[in-house]
Amino acid sequence: GQQLNQSPQSMFIQEGEDVSMNCTSSSIFNTWLWYKQDPGEGPVLLIALYKAGELTSNGRLTAQFGITRKDSFLNISASIPSDVGIYFCAGYYAGGTSYGKLTFGQGTILTVHP
Amino acid sequence: SAVISQKPSRDICQRGTSLTIQCQVDSQVTMMFWYRQQPGQSLTLIATANQGSEATYESGFVIDKFPISRPNLTFSTLTVSNMSPEDSSIYLCSAIRTADTQYFGPGTRLTVL
Repeated sequence: GQQLNQSPQSMFIQEGEDVSMNCTSSSIFNTWLWYKQDPGEGPVLLIALYKAGELTSNGRLTAQFGITRKDSFLNISASIPSDVGIYFCAGYYAGGTSYGKLTFGQGTILTVHP
Repeated sequence: SAVISQKPSRDICQRGTSLTIQCQVDSQVTMMFWYRQQPGQSLTLIATANQGSEATYESGFVIDKFPISRPNLTFSTLTVSNMSPEDSSIYLCSAIRTADTQYFGPGTRLTVL
């Protein structure tokens, strides 16, 4: 089956620093989604990407859909303490019976020191 | 976006019993899914909840263990049957409305003793 490799597994940064995390897939996707999960909560959608090469921003967050359709990255600029949490990439290939069936990366645990 | 609620938010259950989790979406959606998140792990898809018909299960998940209903376009239930401690996880429902964006409920945290 499809596998997503997400890195890094964890990051410890100072407030104000920029953050970058990425995901690579063993097969192509045509939708990439980035989520943030806080303790005791469900994942919250941050950014959705639908086209190869697409670069999308949401406030201090920027994500890109790789041109090979097998990778994506998420950048967070000028981190703040509330950015703490687990970030997941997820993707799927909307073909046949695969529509909507997300494959998730392992998650990146982000810690921000004030 | 879609607003999704789940009940219960958490439960502690005895081995061998069953628990039914409810998922309610605030408006009609095209697709609903159930995921499991084991402690410290990522999310794994259990099944697609099909409206008015049997759910479609992923490899490793079976209907006898995880029966699912979806009687209408905004509501679904997942039952965890004959529970064992290995079933202790967070169970999440999700929904797609339009534009391929998938939203998640807050999750149900299940502990099996």
